[in-house]
Amino acid sequence: KAGVTQTPRYLIKTRGQQVTLSCSPISGHRSVSWYQQTPGQGLQFLFEYFSETQRNKGNFPGRFSGRQFSNSRSEMNVSTLELGDSALYLCASSSITGDLNTEAFFGQGTRLTVV
Amino acid sequence: QKEVEQNSGPLSVPEGAIASLNCTYSDRGSQSFFWYRQYSGKSPELIMSIYSNGDKEDGRFTAQLNKASQYVSLLIRDSQPSDSATYLCAVIRYSGGYQKVTFGIGTKLQVIP
Repeated sequence: KAGVTQTPRYLIKTRGQQVTLSCSPISGHRSVSWYQQTPGQGLQFLFEYFSETQRNKGNFPGRFSGRQFSNSRSEMNVSTLELGDSALYLCASSSITGDLNTEAFFGQGTRLTVV
Repeated sequence: QKEVEQNSGPLSVPEGAIASLNCTYSDRGSQSFFWYRQYSGKSPELIMSIYSNGDKEDGRFTAQLNKASQYVSLLIRDSQPSDSATYLCAVIRYSGGYQKVTFGIGTKLQVIP
């Protein structure tokens, strides 16, 4: 069973540009969550998508957005990049039991560097 | 007060010793608790989940949960150098079909050969 796949693994962008990251969850998992990880702040929750709908959202500005497709694949977009957006972006997938998520499994992440 | 608190470490233990990693949380409504291990430059890997008070053992790992004290811990017996990593505590609260996941900053564990 394939794990969570994130692409690309590494990105270098300049300030003001936008970027799109992709995540393919484990087959059968319908919930996809996105996290930002930086040395100072640790893992911070961005948002969660389930059945193509954003179900939960963290405390990030509107420059951070996402979507989920009918095959559960998800994309995350960051517009007007700032130096502070440099981070490891992690995607996690989980299945749902009732309304509740099971354990989350992480992809390898996308390392974004903004210069 | 942070929602999930962990000592960032590093916690240094000799090979073969027991490593004790601790996590406290502020939300009494929290219902699910997870420990992840993250090697440098890698993504977090789930190692333990615990949902009810008490101990849960899996090989060399034991997770302990005390909801009254809002405390969850991870014990690693017979620590090996390969256990050297950052250990993240994750706490989940469910409400009205929505979940809130909060991670601690992580504790860096160093196992000294």
